[in-house]
Amino acid sequence: GAVVSQHPSWVICKSGTSVKIECRSLDFQATTMFWYRQFPKQSLMLMATSNEGSKATYEQGVEKDKFLINHASLTLSTLTVTSAHPEDSSFYICSAPITGSARNQPQHFGDGTRLSIL
Amino acid sequence: GESVGLHLPTLSVQEGDNSIINCAYSNSASDYFIWYKQESGKGPQFIIDIRSNMDKRQGQRVTVLLNKTVKHLSLQIAATQPGDSAVYFCAENMRGTSYGKLTFGQGTILTVHP
Repeated sequence: GAVVSQHPSWVICKSGTSVKIECRSLDFQATTMFWYRQFPKQSLMLMATSNEGSKATYEQGVEKDKFLINHASLTLSTLTVTSAHPEDSSFYICSAPITGSARNQPQHFGDGTRLSIL
Repeated sequence: GESVGLHLPTLSVQEGDNSIINCAYSNSASDYFIWYKQESGKGPQFIIDIRSNMDKRQGQRVTVLLNKTVKHLSLQIAATQPGDSAVYFCAENMRGTSYGKLTFGQGTILTVHP
């Protein structure tokens, strides 16, 4: 069964709207989660690292004021796309390691959120 | 904004054949590698991983080979089935970076014909 859950799975909204995407770890705690973006027929690109209780770390070129990340609990990270525009339309995917804090453990991914901005 | 992307490489095989999917990774400092399978509209699904102190690792119907000299990774799928049709990505984690921070390869579309 799924170990990382995302919600919603699909959202369509008007340009200028802010959209919040949730990523939950099921039956385990995740002090760190990762947010990726994937455009059609392309690979996944890491956007940011979400850290429980502290600020997220953003990859180069990702606007932190545009993509707000909050990791307020050990099982939930949220990504808010603020004032979304059509170019923000993409597939957003989160991931979390399932075992403790050891390096080199497989990431488990959510099933993604399809965001379409009209 | 959206980056200009290349078309993903494709591999078509007949059911029952063996499949080999290749990946060239970018960073010689990477010490952990993972293969993921992604079906349409879903997140990546873990298949198999390998650490840089190994050259080969086997799972159920899958084998990963690592050639650090030429920075090449391959995924072999034995007796490929229609359910194996998906996009396959390799991913690397660089030594010294935040754990779990992955750089994904381009991806390969595998189509299995019955």
